[in-house]
Amino acid sequence: QSALTQPASVSGSPGQSITISCTGTSSDVGSYNLVSWYQQHPGKAPKLMIYEGSKRPSGVSNRFSGSKSGNTASLTISGLQAEDEADYYCCSYAGSSTKVFGTGTKVTVL
Amino acid sequence: QLQLQESGPGLVKPSETLSLTCTVSGGSISSSSYYWGWIRQPPGKGLEWIGSIYYSGSTYYNPSLKSRVTISVDTSKNQFSLKLSSVTAADTAVYYCARQDKYQLLYAFDIWGQGTMVNVSS
Repeated sequence: QSALTQPASVSGSPGQSITISCTGTSSDVGSYNLVSWYQQHPGKAPKLMIYEGSKRPSGVSNRFSGSKSGNTASLTISGLQAEDEADYYCCSYAGSSTKVFGTGTKVTVL
Repeated sequence: QLQLQESGPGLVKPSETLSLTCTVSGGSISSSSYYWGWIRQPPGKGLEWIGSIYYSGSTYYNPSLKSRVTISVDTSKNQFSLKLSSVTAADTAVYYCARQDKYQLLYAFDIWGQGTMVNVSS
């Protein structure tokens, strides 16, 4: 069970859109529509932003959206804001009731 | 409002067993709607799922840690616990407990504890 692959960093200017990729295998991301995304500010616990690939929990801004194609899931942040600067992690179901996280992506708002 | 709080020693010696407890308040750990998980994060690194437990005692572990991990639940105290044996410096991390919503969020981790730092050092 290897960590899902994410870009180490992604940056964008306020108001722009950015997309973070999360690449797994046919044993995890590719086989299940059960990817979740988490936002983590420094020194804080992660916060759920997307579940089941593209669904937003109550209270999460609609600027956050998720999708999947093949073995790669993606998180898009539109209308980038300063408060979006954080680390982001994907997480996928990997079969046999196990979970695997991504390597994490640092988002910088320029 | 449901809250989770980790507790346990902040310093563990190499080769010993790390033991942490997560206390659930504001709700019942015995709800059939939730699983309860442990996740860790080494300093400056990413998140790693350790394992999860259901109130009935059913457990699920990360294959890479399975030989050293035991997760248990005490419904009378509304707590679940983590034991990690034969620790090394590589087990130094912030350890989080979290709730997994079985039905509404399809096992995503929706409520997290604040995390507790555990250092492995002699």
